Amino acid sequence: AIQLTQSPSSLSASVGDRVTITCRASQGISSALAWYQQKPGKAPKLLIYDASSLESGVPSRFSGSGSGTDFTLTISSLQPEDFATYYCQQFTNYPHTFGPGTKVDIK
Amino acid sequence: EVQLLESGGGLVQPGGSLRLSCAASGFTFNSYAMSWVRQAPGKGLEWVSAISGRGGSTYYADSVKGRFTISRDKSKNTLYLQMSRLRAEDTALYYCAKEAYSSGYYYLDYWGQGTLVTVSS
Repeated sequence: AIQLTQSPSSLSASVGDRVTITCRASQGISSALAWYQQKPGKAPKLLIYDASSLESGVPSRFSGSGSGTDFTLTISSLQPEDFATYYCQQFTNYPHTFGPGTKVDIK
Repeated sequence: EVQLLESGGGLVQPGGSLRLSCAASGFTFNSYAMSWVRQAPGKGLEWVSAISGRGGSTYYADSVKGRFTISRDKSKNTLYLQMSRLRAEDTALYYCAKEAYSSGYYYLDYWGQGTLVTVSS
């Protein structure tokens, strides 16, 4: 099974900061990667698909990049509503594994 | 509006069985693959199982293979997860999610709110 790692596992940031989260796959997955945001007590919400395509309705401060084994999710200017946990997920092969998550909290 | 409503969770003893349901609306159900994803208390997301739009192909995580069965009923627009030989480590919030397809790749674009399964004696 393809393994996904995320770094950092957690980070503290301030409103207005630029935040970058990395997801690395154990083997090449082309662009078959999605990013989700999850807030406490809520279901995950799709942010990015196909590694870099912004889901409709998601603010443009979110962006994704990468292909192959290395991917990034960037929040260009962190807003109060962005404090959450972020997960990547690969769709190249079953099982469609998730990364372990990155928790973004307030500095 | 796409809606996914899970039900069927509850408290079950180790070794027992449970069937989860996910009632779907707002889209053409049999045109889309569906997935189950779970989240143990305080832990991350774990992909559990998926089924193709017409139900002809099914996929499972190694952790549930041979114990869980995914299925769907087109006439009821409902996704199921039959869980048997349950273990304490199956305790989790179980989400159903709709798969979407774009440019050759899949992703999960809609999620339900989850149903809680607790395996304990």
